[in-house]
Amino acid sequence: EVQLVQSGAEVKKPGESLKISCKGSGYSFTTYWIGWVRQMPGKGLEWMGIIYPGDSDTRYSPSFQGQVTISADKSISTAYLQWGSLKASDTAMYYCARTYCSGGSCYSGYYQHWGQGTLVTVSS
Amino acid sequence: QSVLTQPPSASGTPGQRVTISCSGSSSNIGVNYVYWYQQLPGTAPKLLIYRNNQRPSGVPDRFSGSKSGTSASLAISGLRSEDEADYYCAAWDDSLSGWVFGGGTKVTVL
Repeated sequence: EVQLVQSGAEVKKPGESLKISCKGSGYSFTTYWIGWVRQMPGKGLEWMGIIYPGDSDTRYSPSFQGQVTISADKSISTAYLQWGSLKASDTAMYYCARTYCSGGSCYSGYYQHWGQGTLVTVSS
Repeated sequence: QSVLTQPPSASGTPGQRVTISCSGSSSNIGVNYVYWYQQLPGTAPKLLIYRNNQRPSGVPDRFSGSKSGTSASLAISGLRSEDEADYYCAAWDDSLSGWVFGGGTKVTVL
């Protein structure tokens, strides 16, 4: 069974750094793209970017380029989303999701499997 | 402001048919497949419709999708109380080289 298990909720202060994780299991982690999606409180879904763990090819939405860093450690089947300096506007639920298809050319594949979400709260 | 446009809300009584529209452009819906996700309160999105009108295993046939030009729609027939959720359309956007979503439609069963 494919599973994406995300790290727990975080409460941080503005200016602090943060790295949240998404651990994949039940499939070949290196051959499927993992995407990250933001959902601000009471709002819709926003695509942030994707990573191919096999070679760490990473692509960002223009809205999030330079604001976050997506990475992966294939040795432990885990993808990451990190911030260098959090802002109150980063308060949101963050989901990781896996594409339905495998291979490096599947970067535009739809998301069939989703993590449970990580709630990030940034408040002074 | 979402790239894809959906009505913020829709409602119906049990057994009725509800339709949700999703409007895009020539760089997303006009040239790529449309997908629909259902998000029940407090849960992660769940794939409901893929490639315009295909249902994943386990999704009731009460849910159906269609696409025409730069617009798409999701229909829920035989509305049930458990269908109360937020529904999002999505498509790959060739200009942005990324996924774009609609703002979501909250379906209420009266």
